[in-house]
Amino acid sequence: EIVLTQSPATLSLSPGERATLSCRASQSVSSYLAWYQQKPGQAPRLLIYDASNRATGIPARFSGSGSGTDFTLTISSLEPEDFAVYYCQQCSNWPQTFGPGTKVDIK
Amino acid sequence: EVQLVESGGGLVHPGGSLRLSCAASGFPFNTYSIKWVRQAPGKGPECISHISGGSGTIYYAESVRGRFTISRDNAKNSVYLQMNSLRAEDTAVYYCARDNLGTSYYGMDVWGQGTTVTVSS
Repeated sequence: EIVLTQSPATLSLSPGERATLSCRASQSVSSYLAWYQQKPGQAPRLLIYDASNRATGIPARFSGSGSGTDFTLTISSLEPEDFAVYYCQQCSNWPQTFGPGTKVDIK
Repeated sequence: EVQLVESGGGLVHPGGSLRLSCAASGFPFNTYSIKWVRQAPGKGPECISHISGGSGTIYYAESVRGRFTISRDNAKNSVYLQMNSLRAEDTAVYYCARDNLGTSYYGMDVWGQGTTVTVSS
């Protein structure tokens, strides 16, 4: 099973600041990595797939990069609605696994 | 509107059974694989089962293999999860989700609202 680690666990930032979230896989997943946003009481929302492609309707301030084992989600300028938990998911091998999440909260 | 709606959750005793349903609408259902994903309180999501559009490919996570069975009825635009021998650690919100762009490599783009399963005596 591929294990994903995410850092930091919590990121405290102000609106307008840049957020950089990291996801590392225990073995290569090629580009088959997705990022999700989840708010309390809601299902996860797909942001990025195939490491760098924005899902339908996702604002341009969200971008993804990386390949192999190291990936990054960047939010260029935080909006109030972006404060949430973010998960990465590897889609390369079954079982598809998620990281433990990064909480982006308001500083 | 593209939509997935789960039902069938509830409170069950350890060792009991439940059958979850996922009703789809607004897209060509038989061309998309569907997953069941669960999320225990305070934890990250966990993919527990996958079924392809024609039911030819089925996967289970180790944590549920031998106890849970996934199936689908394309005539009814529905996917099911039969859960037997339930344990306390199966307590979670259960989501069904659609594979993005019809492939399992690109994440899940449509999710249901979730149904809560609580296993407790």
